[in-house]
Amino acid sequence: GQNIDQPTEMTATEGAIVQINCTYQTSGFNGLFWYQQHAGEAPTFLSYNVLDGLEEKGRFSSFLSRSKGYSYLLLKELQMKDSASYLCAVLPNDYKLSFGAGTTVTVRA
Amino acid sequence: DAGITQSPRHKVTETGTPVTLRCHQTENHRYMYWYRQDPGHGLRLIHYSYGVKDTDKGEVSDGYSVSRSKTEDFLLTLESATSSQTSVYFCAIRLHGLAETNEQFFGPGTRLTVL
Repeated sequence: GQNIDQPTEMTATEGAIVQINCTYQTSGFNGLFWYQQHAGEAPTFLSYNVLDGLEEKGRFSSFLSRSKGYSYLLLKELQMKDSASYLCAVLPNDYKLSFGAGTTVTVRA
Repeated sequence: DAGITQSPRHKVTETGTPVTLRCHQTENHRYMYWYRQDPGHGLRLIHYSYGVKDTDKGEVSDGYSVSRSKTEDFLLTLESATSSQTSVYFCAIRLHGLAETNEQFFGPGTRLTVL
């Protein structure tokens, strides 16, 4: 099976920066995804990394190191609406997307 | 929104009864998936389909069956529901495009409670 680890919970202050780490051990690698999921809603796509390096998209950035089996999602200028669960997911050789358990981020005023 | 709907959105049923959940898409996507989401486990793949009448098992397929008789509909059936199948069920489709990121887009979910 696949192994994807991310912290369970993180708390940060409005306006601050939070970094959510994800480590993975999978059978092959065809890309890493980050999804955002608000309570009671469906996951929504945030980012995709397949090559090493940083992908920036507005206040959110995602980094990948394939050799280390490591990724992080960086959320800048935190807003209250960023309070959500963030899911790391890896696409292995069988193309069956495998998810971590998710990191719940709480933004406090 | 990739045109995905799920029905029903909420269901309460009793142990031992059959249950069918429906996922419907309007954009002719080839790949469709069924996941369940439980606290502490994240999303886990139940079954997926790569075309009409073409399906395969995922990580947690025991107790579930699926059918896809036409491109737009992917049905998930619990032949005899158990309390351990109480969960939130999400359907997803895989988006294809020039970038071919293999991004999956999720339906709104079905909350199933088995008493």
